[in-house]
Amino acid sequence: GIQVEQSPPDLILQEGANSTLRCNFSDSVNNLQWFHQNPWGQLINLFYIPSGTKQNGRLSATTVATERYSLLYISSSQTTDSGVYFCAVELTSGTYKYIFGTGTRLKVLA
Amino acid sequence: EPEVTQTPSHQVTQMGQEVILRCVPISNHLYFYWYRQILGQKVEFLVSFYNNEISEKSEIFDDQFSVERPDGSNFTLKIRSTKLEDSAMYFCASLGRTSYEQYFGPGTRLTVT
Repeated sequence: GIQVEQSPPDLILQEGANSTLRCNFSDSVNNLQWFHQNPWGQLINLFYIPSGTKQNGRLSATTVATERYSLLYISSSQTTDSGVYFCAVELTSGTYKYIFGTGTRLKVLA
Repeated sequence: EPEVTQTPSHQVTQMGQEVILRCVPISNHLYFYWYRQILGQKVEFLVSFYNNEISEKSEIFDDQFSVERPDGSNFTLKIRSTKLEDSAMYFCASLGRTSYEQYFGPGTRLTVT
């Protein structure tokens, strides 16, 4: 089956630093989303980005579907950015189910 | 902004008991999903539901699990006889007709003792 790998698995940043999180997938996908799981376990939708680039405040994302990867950029990180970041991809199954990546655990220090 | 809601937020049950997890998807959405996340692991697909029937299910979704849309608004996941390994966070999600973006609920944390 499809493999969805995220890197790095763990990341510690000082407040104010920038970071890039990567999501690699082993097969063609129809759709892709990035999520932030906060310390309470809730999944917060960050981006729906099957291709191209989007920006929302300090966050931006780029997906290059032909090369099977997506990047999430966090600029000027804040302690509230801490948590786990997941990418999720949808195969061409027709039911739009998502396969989640392995996650990147981010800790931002004050 | 419309959102997916789930109840309860936390459920504690004894092994062997039945539990029903409830979800209210976004009102005009057509596809509904359940995912689960065992503590510290990644989120896993359980089942998708469309047009009042299961579209796809994972190997996790065995005979102990069932889903239902009993009315026009609720979407439920039933576990008939819970096991310790069913302890996890369960997420409901829905998908509309104009976008392929899935909207996730806040989750129900199920603890089986």
